[in-house]
Amino acid sequence: AQTVTQSQPEMSVQEAETVTLSCTYDTSENNYYLFWYKQPPSRQMILVIRQEAYKQQNATENRFSVNFQKAAKSFSLKISDSQLGDTAMYFCAFLRDDKIIFGKGTRLHILP
Amino acid sequence: NAGVMQNPRHLVRRRGQEARLRCSPMKGHSHVYWYRQLPEEGLKFMVYLQKENIIDESGMPKERFSAEFPKEGPSILRIQQVVRGDSAAYFCASSPSTGLGNTIYFGEGSWLTVV
Repeated sequence: AQTVTQSQPEMSVQEAETVTLSCTYDTSENNYYLFWYKQPPSRQMILVIRQEAYKQQNATENRFSVNFQKAAKSFSLKISDSQLGDTAMYFCAFLRDDKIIFGKGTRLHILP
Repeated sequence: NAGVMQNPRHLVRRRGQEARLRCSPMKGHSHVYWYRQLPEEGLKFMVYLQKENIIDESGMPKERFSAEFPKEGPSILRIQQVVRGDSAAYFCASSPSTGLGNTIYFGEGSWLTVV
């Protein structure tokens, strides 16, 4: 079975600080995709960043970057220079073939 | 290029009634997925469909729930004889195909409240 674990139910950081959200996953597959989705209070699911498992280089999107450790099956999200608008639920997700499996999420609060 | 469109955004039903949720995928996307999000929980996979075919319904409850994606028109998630436990956000997502490299895009969700 493929599972995604987010060990931090909730986090708070001061505006402009850097924060790292953890995610581990379990799979026997070698080729897959990983994602981080953001769900703000509006409840819309917004794709933040994605990583192809066959790429060793960590994905980066502006202030968002990942630390992908394939052997450890770890996929953490780093948010630099955090902003108030980053306040949201963040879901780590695993894609293989036809299905995305989500973690339970981390609620992130950015404090002014 | 419009995104994944879901309607209604909010739906209230009394226990025992039927709920129908609609999803129009992004233009050019032929694959549709339905997910359910209970309060304070993550998204749980329900069903994956291609045009006129159900590919994977392993996450669908065995009774009262059904989904379709006809050749013409939106995908529909149908819940018969709703109960309070069906109250949740239902998200639709679409992708152009299942090939690795295709990102799945989500709609804004439909919130079902059963009273």
